[in-house]
Parts: sequence; C-alpha cells; structure tokens
Amino acid sequence: DQQVKQNSPSLSVQEGRISILNCDYTNSMFDYFLWYKKYPAEGPTFLISISSIKDKNEDGRFTVFLNKSAKHLSLHIVPSQPGDSAVYFCAASAGSGGSNYKLTFGKGTLLTVNP
Amino acid sequence: SQTIHQWPATLVQPVGSPLSLECTVEGTSNPNLYWYRQAAGRGLQLLFYSVGIGQISSEVPQNLSASRPQDRQFILSSKKLLLSDSGFYLCAWRPGGTDTQYFGPGTRLTVL
Repeated sequence: DQQVKQNSPSLSVQEGRISILNCDYTNSMFDYFLWYKKYPAEGPTFLISISSIKDKNEDGRFTVFLNKSAKHLSLHIVPSQPGDSAVYFCAASAGSGGSNYKLTFGKGTLLTVNP
Repeated sequence: SQTIHQWPATLVQPVGSPLSLECTVEGTSNPNLYWYRQAAGRGLQLLFYSVGIGQISSEVPQNLSASRPQDRQFILSSKKLLLSDSGFYLCAWRPGGTDTQYFGPGTRLTVL
C-alpha cells in the first residue's frame, strides 16, 4: 500500500513560469512533510519541509502548501529555472511516535524546465 | 559542518558474490542512520535504520544485512548477491531534534 503518492511521473514547464508538483498521502499519523530534489546518479538534496501545524512554508523560490483535510501537499517553484530540472520526491514522517522518524517517499516527479 | 560519505561510488558484481558498502558521517555524534535503495524507475525504499551502535532495524526481508560497528559508520552487506539487488543505494543521517534526513552521494550497484 503506497502511503505517499505522486501521481504525475513527469511535468514540463517553460522557464520563468510556475512549476507545481503535487503529493497525496493516506496515513493520518504523518505530521511532517519534506521535498527533496534529485539529479541522476546523485543523492537527494533536501529542499523544504513543513510541519502539520502550518499550511504554508516559503524559502526563496520554493513554497510548500499543506492541506491536511485533503491529505495533500504541493511544491511551487516560481520562477522556474532550467537548473530546477530534476526528479522531485515528496516524503512524510510520523515523527517519534513509533516510527523513529522514518521517511516514507513517493515515487517522484521528473520536472523538466525548458529554456 | 556535517558531511556524509559513501563508497564505492559504483560497483559491478557477479551474481552470488558478497557485498560491502560503507557509509560514514563526519561532524556529528550519535546520528540516526538509514540505508535506502532506489531501483530503476521507482522511489526510495527504506532498507535499514539504526539509532545507535549495534542497533539495527530491518524494514524489508531480503538477503541484505546492515551493521553499525562505530557511532558514525554504517555498513550494508550481503553474502550472495542476486540480480534483483541491482540499484542505487543511498545512506542518510538524521540529526537529533528534526525529522529531516540528509543523504550521501549514493552507490550504483550492478549485479550481472
């Protein structure tokens, strides 16, 4: 059973426009959510996170929105740049409550930003 | 600052051969450590995690094992590799007081 789902395997946007990456989860125990960026043959790089007590977190061009009632989060990148082209993973954690901070990952979305 | 190392970067091994992948973290003490695998076209699957020396928890049954002989060293092993063990292996560490994990550069394993 996939507890974190990224239903779009790929997304293509023009440079300068907004990229919106989506993620859905099913486990109501998740209380912390993260986005990672991954280039081929490299380890994932942490981008931004959000706690379940918030509905928005912003860091430069990256903003994550959390809708707990819908069990949905999204990552907005504005403006998109060619260097943003990578696979983006959504991850969720149930914290220390019996999970030892394990992360559950989605399968990733390949973002391509065209010049 | 903290850094995480993995080696080797790439490895090609025949079926049935043993495996040893190493991960070390610098600049921190008593980190939580994790081994993940990314198979082709798939997400990140947690294999093992460790909260301290000699403490290993396994997430999926398989022919792999993990050990933590020192505080900042995490080793992934196998006695006999299978074709299905091919993939990209990632080590991660988590500092105390946060849910965020930080990943190493990974090891590309090809079993032929």
